[in-house]
Amino acid sequence: EAGVAQSPRYKIIEKRQSVAFWCNPISGHATLYWYQQILGQGPKLLIQFQNNGVVDDSQLPKDRFSAERLKGVDSTLKIQPAKLEDSAVYLCASSRDRGSLAKNIQYFGAGTRLSVL
Amino acid sequence: GIQVEQSPPDLILQEGANSTLRCNFSDSVNNLQWFHQNPWGQLINLFYIPSGTKQNGRLSATTVATERYSLLYISSSQTTDSGVYFCAVPSGTYKYIFGTGTRLKVLA
Repeated sequence: EAGVAQSPRYKIIEKRQSVAFWCNPISGHATLYWYQQILGQGPKLLIQFQNNGVVDDSQLPKDRFSAERLKGVDSTLKIQPAKLEDSAVYLCASSRDRGSLAKNIQYFGAGTRLSVL
Repeated sequence: GIQVEQSPPDLILQEGANSTLRCNFSDSVNNLQWFHQNPWGQLINLFYIPSGTKQNGRLSATTVATERYSLLYISSSQTTDSGVYFCAVPSGTYKYIFGTGTRLKVLA
């Protein structure tokens, strides 16, 4: 089966500009995650969708970050305006099970590396 | 919230050597995953192992949930094993928390 697709792979912007990332999960996966990974750290969950509903966005900086998952498939993550500290890799992941963590194996995309200058 | 710590933070091995990576977590969990992040940044799921032992080729993992730790064993290491190894556990109902990672470099 095809893996999690993300685009673009790299993006360089200046601070205060806006940027958007796209993710297409594995077909049939109900749960979609966006993570932020700052250099030298582990991934940090920003937002989690189950189908097209948000189940956790407690660590999403909502004053500048937004995300949507229309029709429960593709998702976009937007930053507006970007700050220098947003420089990171943004990872999308998906998993099959609906709501239960018991067997919620996550599959990751290749990520988008964002540099804010 | 749950804390996840990994050790050692960095590890350098000669090709062919064996190693053990450790993941400690501060609360009981019903799920634990090990990941390998290759030098190009791709995260690959290695094991889903809430308890017990699993093996996949040269890699094996053991989780002792009652004592709140998991171990990842790499035998006969190869240069392609280089990268960062993360464990991840659930926090609350839906959120995953990743550990601090172990950066492994295998020298030819």
